Amino acid sequence: NAGVTQTPKFQVLKTGQSMTLQCAQDMNHNSMYWYRQDPGMGLRLIYYSASEGTTDKGEVPNGYNVSRLNKREFSLRLESAAPSQTSVYFCASRRTVENIQYFGAGTRLSVL
Amino acid sequence: DQQVKQNSPSLSVQEGRISILNCDYTNSMFDYFLWYKKYPAEGPTFLISISSIKDKNEDGRFTVFLNKSAKHLSLHIVPSQPGDSAVYFCAASVNNAGNMLTFGGGTRLMVKP
Repeated sequence: NAGVTQTPKFQVLKTGQSMTLQCAQDMNHNSMYWYRQDPGMGLRLIYYSASEGTTDKGEVPNGYNVSRLNKREFSLRLESAAPSQTSVYFCASRRTVENIQYFGAGTRLSVL
Repeated sequence: DQQVKQNSPSLSVQEGRISILNCDYTNSMFDYFLWYKKYPAEGPTFLISISSIKDKNEDGRFTVFLNKSAKHLSLHIVPSQPGDSAVYFCAASVNNAGNMLTFGGGTRLMVKP
């Protein structure tokens, strides 16, 4: 049972390049989330998907897009990367009946 | 403005002693609170939680206290062990359909042998 799997683990981009961060969960959870973690700021919610077919903005959505491909997969896309998007990105999922979110190991992204 | 704050970026304690990590919040709508533990190069893992209808929840060496009037919660670890050395995040949510978590900035705990 892998839980929440994120790929890639590391990525270096040049300013203006695009990329997609992948996230998949095998726990049959309805809700999925994307966060970014910056020093001293904790984790901030970028986008979330309460259920398959729906997505909503979180606290810091600018510069990002998401796709809930199916119940298992929730991807995060950077269309034109900027140095301010250098961060560690975490994906999480949650079962509807409880308030606990389960996190992947993260993707460390550097934008030069 | 941060709705959840952990004012101590770091804390150092001796093995076997008590560790107390603090968290303050400003949004009175928060009704569920969680603590997560994070090791380097790993994702946060759930540790313990508390609903706003309670003022204490205990799980082994970990106890969370909630003071709603002060908008303050704390995590007590007794006794502290070197393996507890990690970054601890408190998080809060409003019980709606999205259950978005609002995180504090984290406290790095170092437990010295």
